[in-house]
Amino acid sequence: DTGVSQDPRHKITKRGQNVTFRCDPISEHNRLYWYRQTLGQGPEFLTYFQNEAQLEKSRLLSDRFSAERPKGSFSTLEIQRTEQGDSAMYLCASSFPPAGTGLEQYFGPGTRLTVT
Amino acid sequence: QQQVKQSPQSLIVQKGGISIINCAYENTAFDYFPWYQQFPGKGPALLIAIRPDVSEKKEGRFTISFNKSAKQFSLHIMDSQPGDSATYFCAATTSNTGKLIFGQGTTLQVKP
Repeated sequence: DTGVSQDPRHKITKRGQNVTFRCDPISEHNRLYWYRQTLGQGPEFLTYFQNEAQLEKSRLLSDRFSAERPKGSFSTLEIQRTEQGDSAMYLCASSFPPAGTGLEQYFGPGTRLTVT
Repeated sequence: QQQVKQSPQSLIVQKGGISIINCAYENTAFDYFPWYQQFPGKGPALLIAIRPDVSEKKEGRFTISFNKSAKQFSLHIMDSQPGDSATYFCAATTSNTGKLIFGQGTTLQVKP
């Protein structure tokens, strides 16, 4: 399977715990995006990387959230001291600007986070 | 100015009919407009996309119509099938970042 993969697919955690999600983009895709989607809403942009550089962070991304892409390949999204309001689907997408229009983003299956 | 407004919120169409979903945007810097299809529990899948230098793009049963002056674009699904029942999202972005601004989504039900 050469698509975007995310791990874990589901995570249940208690309020106050830290969680970390992983995203593996399509091979050679140098842009990687994180989005958050709550029930019945469209995905909302969180942050994105070009290679290993984090180029933009949304104001939605509080200081409890941190994302990394250390070698320009996979990325991790960590949420510290989780709150019930963090419950959502966390989606990762990747794109390869030199190909096509460069703007086609391909999404992974998402990680469903439930904070109890 | 960053919003993308999508309508209707839900849509019921008979098999073989035409499904039409509309979106409007404010930011004239947007220069790429994709549509995504999402099934429950899955990530969004790219369906079709358009740049503002063309007024229409067709891929199979899916057509995007784009009206730059009105800042509106729409998705037409011809010969709608029960397998098309899903949530559809329009989105917009600028070439320099690629970050997608999504509409609120339209839940489509195609009745057999």
